[in-house]
Amino acid sequence: KAGVTQTPRYLIKTRGQQVTLSCSPISGHRSVSWYQQTPGQGLQFLFEYFSETQRNKGNFPGRFSGRQFSNSRSEMNVSTLELGDSALYLCASSFPGQETQYFGPGTRLLVL
Amino acid sequence: GDSVTQMEGPVTLSEEAFLTINCTYTATGYPSLFWYVQYPGEGLQLLLKATKADDKGSNKGFEATYRKETTSFHLEKGSVQVSDSAVYFCALIRGSGNTGKLIFGQGTTLQVKP
Repeated sequence: KAGVTQTPRYLIKTRGQQVTLSCSPISGHRSVSWYQQTPGQGLQFLFEYFSETQRNKGNFPGRFSGRQFSNSRSEMNVSTLELGDSALYLCASSFPGQETQYFGPGTRLLVL
Repeated sequence: GDSVTQMEGPVTLSEEAFLTINCTYTATGYPSLFWYVQYPGEGLQLLLKATKADDKGSNKGFEATYRKETTSFHLEKGSVQVSDSAVYFCALIRGSGNTGKLIFGQGTTLQVKP
């Protein structure tokens, strides 16, 4: 069974631009969570989607948004990029009713 | 709020040494506990988990026991290898009302020298 995939793996953007990251969960998994990883703040939860609905949200500004499609694939969008948005963005998926999350390889975003 | 605290790193060991990485947590209710490992340039890999008090999770020679009385989930391995060099994260998830949200410790870097 294929693992969680994320595209693109690397991105370079400039301040003020927007970016969209994609995540395809493991087949059969319907919950997708997103995390931001930085050296200073560590791993922080962004949001979680299940059946196309956002079920939980972390403490990030409204510039960070996401959505989920009917095939459980998810995207996250960051508008008006800031230098501090440079990070590794990880998504994770889980099977319905299970808490264990399986992570993708991440998208490394650099904002210049 | 819920939180996870791990021992500061880096931890540097010689090959075949015994490993302990301490992890304590604060949470209401009965969280599930996890250890994840991250190799350079990669995402997180699930190492082991425990879902209730006194459960022992184990995988690839690593073990951790869910201790509710001490709110701890320490990671141990009897004999480390150079290939175990990575960053280890302890995490918890509290189900109802807080779905999909793993709370992580700050990570502990392990360096194993031959």
